[in-house]
Amino acid sequence: AQKVTQAQTEISVVEKEDVTLDCVYETRDTTYYLFWYKQPPSGELVFLIRRNSFDEQNEISGRYSWNFQKSTSSFNFTITASQVVDSAVYFCALSEAPPSDKLIFGTGTRLQVFP
Amino acid sequence: EPEVTQTPSHQVTQMGQEVILRCVPISNHLYFYWYRQILGQKVEFLVSFYNNEISEKSEIFDDQFSVERPDGSNFTLKIRSTKLEDSAMYFCASEDEPYNEQFFGPGTRLTVL
Repeated sequence: AQKVTQAQTEISVVEKEDVTLDCVYETRDTTYYLFWYKQPPSGELVFLIRRNSFDEQNEISGRYSWNFQKSTSSFNFTITASQVVDSAVYFCALSEAPPSDKLIFGTGTRLQVFP
Repeated sequence: EPEVTQTPSHQVTQMGQEVILRCVPISNHLYFYWYRQILGQKVEFLVSFYNNEISEKSEIFDDQFSVERPDGSNFTLKIRSTKLEDSAMYFCASEDEPYNEQFFGPGTRLTVL
């Protein structure tokens, strides 16, 4: 059965620290997609990244980077030099092969960045 | 930048009443979704909709729920007889192609008293 686990419920850091949010997924499909979404205090869901199962290259976007490892079924997210504006709940999500393309979300990690 | 909009932002209703939550997806998108998030919990899939019919629905989406695309722009979620446990944030999302980014609306907070 498909499942996304975000074991870290809450993380607190001080500004400029690096922080890694863990995501472990379960799926029987060989084709699938992984996502990260950010939910700031205002409540909306903001897309951060999409990665397909055939692309294990790590990705960097500014202070954000993602490490996808199929061998450990993990898709971890690192914020470098965290800022107060990074404070939010971060959700990892999985979408499996056709016909279903629904997003299966993890329980989220609340990140608090203190000045 | 195009965005998904939802109305109302907050709906308060009495248990047993019907509610309709409205969404306007991004105009060239063809795939539509409803998700819900009970306060402090994870986001859960309710239903997906394509080509004027339901593609997939979750166990949560029982006979009390229905979706409709009444015209070329709106996408609605109806709950026929609300229960206390329906209180949640309801998100609409749309997508141009499967497995691309799903764009989420700002949500409707439903409170059932």
